[in-house]
Amino acid sequence: SQQGEEDPQALSIQEGENATMNCSYKTSINNLQWYRQNSGRGLVHLILIRSNEREKHSGRLRVTLDTSKKSSSLLITASRAADTASYFCATHQGGSEKLVFGKGTKLTVNP
Amino acid sequence: NAGVMQNPRHLVRRRGQEARLRCSPMKGHSHVYWYRQLPEEGLKFMVYLQKENIIDESGMPKERFSAEFPKEGPSILRIQQVVRGDSAAYFCASSPTGESDSYTFGSGTRLTVV
Repeated sequence: SQQGEEDPQALSIQEGENATMNCSYKTSINNLQWYRQNSGRGLVHLILIRSNEREKHSGRLRVTLDTSKKSSSLLITASRAADTASYFCATHQGGSEKLVFGKGTKLTVNP
Repeated sequence: NAGVMQNPRHLVRRRGQEARLRCSPMKGHSHVYWYRQLPEEGLKFMVYLQKENIIDESGMPKERFSAEFPKEGPSILRIQQVVRGDSAAYFCASSPTGESDSYTFGSGTRLTVV
């Protein structure tokens, strides 16, 4: 079964607003990653946060990780129409090389 | 560095035919992973290979699906006797070290079974 579950499933905002997506998971992890996928395209790695980290920034992205709640959030600040895409969290569980993906949040940024 | 190359980008097969999907990893990468994405779903792990070895095939259906990563040439995901339920996007990722934080994904092959 899928480990990561994103919330909400879909999010529609206006350009310039912030977008927050959440991800919950079930078992202990080594790291959690966020990916972006434009419609009909491949995945682009956005950011990785390790289990001993609580927050990480990359440009307009801010990721938090709460291992006690087994949850993570991705914040995109000052959104742009070009941010329209699906965003997936993926977890790397201990002892396994595979990533377990959630179903994703579909973000629409309206100009 | 051309990145992870997958071909074809789109593949249409009739039920019962065979589908062969190719993945050329990034230069210097000897670890390859295959994932499948159904419409409106996230990616699901299928198989992890190193050169000439299958390391983890826990996500592969037991029948009709096979994968290889020969010493020379691309990794091949082979689906025999395709059915409509095999229609999906198949993504390949490669890594130099076998650690998932160093993945690079290809653009995928979209298989449609008619």
